[in-house]
Amino acid sequence: DGGITQSPKYLFRKEGQNVTLSCEQNLNHDAMYWYRQDPGQGLRLIYYSQIVNDFQKGDIAEGYSVSREKKESFPLTVTSAQKNPTAFYLCASSIAGSGANVLTFGAGSRLTVL
Amino acid sequence: SQQGEEDPQALSIQEGENATMNCSYKTSINNLQWYRQNSGRGLVHLILIRSNEREKHSGRLRVTLDTSKKSSSLLITASRAADTASYFCATDNTPPGYSTLTFGKGTMLLVSP
Repeated sequence: DGGITQSPKYLFRKEGQNVTLSCEQNLNHDAMYWYRQDPGQGLRLIYYSQIVNDFQKGDIAEGYSVSREKKESFPLTVTSAQKNPTAFYLCASSIAGSGANVLTFGAGSRLTVL
Repeated sequence: SQQGEEDPQALSIQEGENATMNCSYKTSINNLQWYRQNSGRGLVHLILIRSNEREKHSGRLRVTLDTSKKSSSLLITASRAADTASYFCATDNTPPGYSTLTFGKGTMLLVSP
């Protein structure tokens, strides 16, 4: 079945540590996205990528980094520079240039800083 | 920046009743979408309405769009307990080729048996 796989589902981090969240898709989608969700809040865009080896900052990119070396993969690194990293992280993908940007989401990764 | 704002923040109804959620936004859009999120899970796309459309149906879902008022509504008819979830509107207002969605804060819907 085609879909988006995020791992790990739960992650605990000590302050000062970098962590990387994995996102893999087998939908052959061109575009991939990372959103952050805080309790009772909507989704806020961290980074997105329309094609391999290219990505753009979203609304809250500070303290995060990404790479897009393969079409299928878009890992997100939460660095120690992110002051409040505890949140639910959602990866999504879509067909670029389709005229209607419908997102397919993964199941999410919940990061807790101890 | 938050584009869409849903109203109400929370809604509690009985099975069989209709549920109506509203979304207001600030700038012109290409299209508006509604997504559903079960607790602790990813979002699932429900329906998309383009800026030149006024109403759209999909099963028990009915979406309206009023671009003059910059608002949309999602109606779920004959609600079921399985409809319990959070519902988000998302607006697409970016140029073609640089499309991203902006999500609202969502409406939490509780449908009691």
